[in-house]
Amino acid sequence: EVQLVESGGGLVQPGGSLRLSCAASGFTFSTYWMTWVRQAPGKGLEWVANIKQDGSEKNYVDSVKGRFTISRDNAKNSLYLQMNSLRAEDTAVYYCATHQSRVFQHWGQGTLVTVSS
Amino acid sequence: QTVVTQEPSFSVSPGGTVTLTCGLSSGSVSTSHYPNWYQQTPGQSPRALIYTTNTRSSGVPDRFSGSILGNKAALTITGAQADDESEYYCVLYMGSGIWVFGGGTKLTVL
Repeated sequence: EVQLVESGGGLVQPGGSLRLSCAASGFTFSTYWMTWVRQAPGKGLEWVANIKQDGSEKNYVDSVKGRFTISRDNAKNSLYLQMNSLRAEDTAVYYCATHQSRVFQHWGQGTLVTVSS
Repeated sequence: QTVVTQEPSFSVSPGGTVTLTCGLSSGSVSTSHYPNWYQQTPGQSPRALIYTTNTRSSGVPDRFSGSILGNKAALTITGAQADDESEYYCVLYMGSGIWVFGGGTKLTVL
């Protein structure tokens, strides 16, 4: 059974940093693209970033470019999102998801990031 | 900046048929956008329903179908059931590795 478990969310002040993790199991992690999607409270889904199987390609939504960095460790079956220079508008539940065959098939339960002073 | 558009809300009677659409603020949706549809109920993670326009995800009932209708992607639910009451999101591939979600459609079954 595919499992994705996000962690690392919490309360952070504007301008601060946070690193999210996503622990994957139940599938061959190294063969999947992976993605981060976020959802602000009471709002819709927003695609944030994705990363190729070997980490050689990374893509970001414009609003996080230069502030967020997606990465992965295939040896640890883990996906990461380093978030710097956080803003109030980054407040959201962050989901990791598998991204293969042009579908976000499996999703984690999400981790809440709150940016507030 | 291209915006992906969806109806904010829709209602359908139990047993009825409803078609939700997914368009672009500029241009037409085609199969090259690999339209996906996701269902989300409050407090839950999204669930993949349809991908690459009309491929049903594993375990999704065949009363959910996807298509291109005119210049939009469409999700049709035939024989709506009470537990289909959810938020539905489409997402489109914009090229260069970028995906954009629509704002979602809140479907009410009553």
